[in-house]
Amino acid sequence: NAGVTQTPKFQVLKTGQSMTLQCAQDMNHNSMYWYRQDPGMGLRLIYYSASEGTTDKGEVPNGYNVSRLNKREFSLRLESAAPSQTSVYFCASSEGSRGRQPQHFGDGTRLSIL
Amino acid sequence: AQRVTQPEKLLSVFKGAPVELKCNYSYSGSPELFWYVQYSRQRLQLLLRHISRESIKGFTADLNKGETSFHLKKPFAQEEDSAMYYCALGGGTSYGKLTFGQGTILTVHP
Repeated sequence: NAGVTQTPKFQVLKTGQSMTLQCAQDMNHNSMYWYRQDPGMGLRLIYYSASEGTTDKGEVPNGYNVSRLNKREFSLRLESAAPSQTSVYFCASSEGSRGRQPQHFGDGTRLSIL
Repeated sequence: AQRVTQPEKLLSVFKGAPVELKCNYSYSGSPELFWYVQYSRQRLQLLLRHISRESIKGFTADLNKGETSFHLKKPFAQEEDSAMYYCALGGGTSYGKLTFGQGTILTVHP
């Protein structure tokens, strides 16, 4: 009963390096999301995918790209990492239904950019 | 626009004391509200949702549409309640999207 699985759990990058964070869910959910969590800022939505084949920008999309590979998988890519992207990244999924269903979260990826 | 405000970043109480975590929202439609909890270095977990009207781990929350609030309450706090709590608002413009508040860190002292 894995739910939402994120890899890796930890990563250290140098400024300018690229990185893809992976996320997979086994609940047959339609919608998937990427958030970043920073002290004092709460959770901020980076990108989301309402359904397979669609992606949309959230509150803080700059510096990121996403791919909804199939219904299960939703990846987040940093093309050229910057120290400001040091954060904890959470992936989540939900059935959809116009926000009337809860989101289920992964364990998070702690990313440090030096 | 949807907005969620949690006015307290930090909240400290002693074990056995009542606790109330405040959440106010701004939304013109019919809201769907959730409380999530995040224990130290763990994933966010759904604590409760307003439509369920249930009590989880002794916590309750009532939607007050007049005051646009969804405060989380527990009559007797326990040390294991220490965590980050997020209020979240859905039901809006896009499928499944939630707007989160900035979170309140609750510390329950022995």
